[in-house]
Amino acid sequence: AQKITQTQPGMFVQEKEAVTLDCTYDTSDPSYGLFWYKQPSSGEMIFLIYQGSYDQQNATEGRYSLNFQKARKSANLVISASQLGDSAMYFCAMREHQGTDKLIFGTGTRLQVFP
Amino acid sequence: GAGVSQTPSNKVTEKGKYVELRCDPISGHTALYWYRQSLGQGPEFLIYFQGTGAADDSGLPNDRFFAVRPEGSVSTLKIQRTERGDSAVYLCASSFAEKGETQYFGPGTRLLVL
Repeated sequence: AQKITQTQPGMFVQEKEAVTLDCTYDTSDPSYGLFWYKQPSSGEMIFLIYQGSYDQQNATEGRYSLNFQKARKSANLVISASQLGDSAMYFCAMREHQGTDKLIFGTGTRLQVFP
Repeated sequence: GAGVSQTPSNKVTEKGKYVELRCDPISGHTALYWYRQSLGQGPEFLIYFQGTGAADDSGLPNDRFFAVRPEGSVSTLKIQRTERGDSAVYLCASSFAEKGETQYFGPGTRLLVL
């Protein structure tokens, strides 16, 4: 069964430092997509970055990069040069390409950036 | 352009009442999704529309929950005989039709059943 695991309920990082948020997944589908979303206290889910299972390179979007290790079934989010505005909940999600396009989410990691 | 919008932003109702939650997707997006997020959890899938039809409603918890999208744009999630356990944030997302496209979420409706 498809599953997303985020083992870090909370993380702290100092402003301007880098932080890694962990995500592991389980699927039997050879083709799938992995997503990271940010959810500030306002509640809206903000799309950050996407990695396809067949992508040859790790995805990057500005200060966000995805450390994709297919054999380990991990898709960790790296945020470089943390900013106070990065404080939020972060969710990892997966979509299998067989079947419908529904997303399966992890339980999230709360990131707090301090000065 | 405008993002996904949801109304109302907050809804308080009494146990046993009927509620409707509305979602207006991004213009041009033919796929629409409803998710439910309970406190301290990630969103859970409820139903997925491709155009006017429900392509996957496997996440609806029971027959008190129903959703429609009559013209392939705005969708309404309907909950009958609400229960306290229905209290959650209901999130709507939309995407282009092609498989694998990114889903963009609205701000959600916070439902509280007293």
